[in-house]
Amino acid sequence: NAGVTQTPKFQVLKTGQSMTLQCAQDMNHNSMYWYRQDPGMGLRLIYYSASEGTTDKGEVPNGYNVSRLNKREFSLRLESAAPSQTSVYFCASTTSSRYGYTFGSGTRLTVV
Amino acid sequence: DQQVKQNSPSLSVQEGRISILNCDYTNSMFDYFLWYKKYPAEGPTFLISISSIKDKNEDGRFTVFLNKSAKHLSLHIVPSQPGDSAVYFCAAFDRGSTLGRLYFGRGTQLTVWP
Repeated sequence: NAGVTQTPKFQVLKTGQSMTLQCAQDMNHNSMYWYRQDPGMGLRLIYYSASEGTTDKGEVPNGYNVSRLNKREFSLRLESAAPSQTSVYFCASTTSSRYGYTFGSGTRLTVV
Repeated sequence: DQQVKQNSPSLSVQEGRISILNCDYTNSMFDYFLWYKKYPAEGPTFLISISSIKDKNEDGRFTVFLNKSAKHLSLHIVPSQPGDSAVYFCAAFDRGSTLGRLYFGRGTQLTVWP
């Protein structure tokens, strides 16, 4: 049982480059989320998708876009990477937020 | 504005002693609380939770206490073990939110030393 799978695990980008972080879950969850974790800042919500076909902004959406490709997959795109986007990115999914999320293992992104 | 606050960024405890991690919240619509544990290079994993209709929930060495009047919860780990060294996140569910999302604190780094 894979749970939530994120790719890649590590990435280094130059300022201005673009990339897409991939996330897939095999638990038939309706809702999916993208968070970033920075030292001293905890987990901050970037975008979420409450169900297939819907996406909405979270607390820190600037500089990002998302696509809910199907029920399983939720991707996060950086169109023009900036050093401020250096972070660890986590994807999560759930059937009901009340009972918690299942997180992926994260993507560590460095923008130089 | 942070609705879930973990005011201690770090905690250091000797093996065998009790670890107490604290969490405060401001939103009275929160009605379910969770603790997550995170090791380096891994995603957060669910540890224990508590509903607002209870004031205590226990699971092995882990106990969560909820004081609704003070809007405060705490996680007790007894006895603490070196393998408990991790970052612990407090999270809360807002029953009044159309999004129905979790709100996370900034985390507390627990170090258990031998």
